[in-house]
Amino acid sequence: KAGVTQTPRYLIKTRGQQVTLSCSPISGHRSVSWYQQTPGQGLQFLFEYFSETQRNKGNFPGRFSGRQFSNSRSEMNVSTLELGDSALYLCASSLVAAGGPVYEQYFGPGTRLTVT
Amino acid sequence: AQSVAQPEDQVNVAEGNPLTVKCTYSVSGNPYLFWYVQYPNRGLQFLLKYITGDNLVKGSYGFEAEFNKSQTSFHLKKPSALVSDSALYFCAVRDLYSGAGSYQLTFGKGTKLSVIP
Repeated sequence: KAGVTQTPRYLIKTRGQQVTLSCSPISGHRSVSWYQQTPGQGLQFLFEYFSETQRNKGNFPGRFSGRQFSNSRSEMNVSTLELGDSALYLCASSLVAAGGPVYEQYFGPGTRLTVT
Repeated sequence: AQSVAQPEDQVNVAEGNPLTVKCTYSVSGNPYLFWYVQYPNRGLQFLLKYITGDNLVKGSYGFEAEFNKSQTSFHLKKPSALVSDSALYFCAVRDLYSGAGSYQLTFGKGTKLSVIP
């Protein structure tokens, strides 16, 4: 079974621009989460989507947004990029079972975003 | 709010020796705990999880973890370290209360494991 895929793998943008990152979850996984990883702050939760609905959002400004499509693929968008947005952005997917087993998240390789 | 602490930024161990990477947690209610490993320029790989049941959890690549409720700890262990185990290790706890059924992991800062040949 194919793993979580993220595109692009590397991205260089200029301050003030916007960027869209894409994530394809493992087949059958309907929960998709996004995390930001930086040397200073570590891994921080951005948001989680399930059935095209954002269920939870981390403590990030409104410049960070996302969406999920009917096939569970997800995108995240960062508008008006700042130098501090330079990070590895990780997408993770999981099975979901209401009231059932607690499944682990599987992570993609990440998108390395550099803002200059 | 829940939190995870990994008290050691770096752990050095000789190849063939046992290794331990420490993790303590703070949660409301039952803890759902995970260990992940990250190799350079890669995403996170799932190693193991504790949900309920036996306090000793076995995972991938010969790793295991011991859940200790009284000490609120979930230390990762391996009986015999390999040079290829050198990587960044993250302990995480799942937040079940941040939203209706939502899935959010809170991670520790990570511990860099170096296995010396």
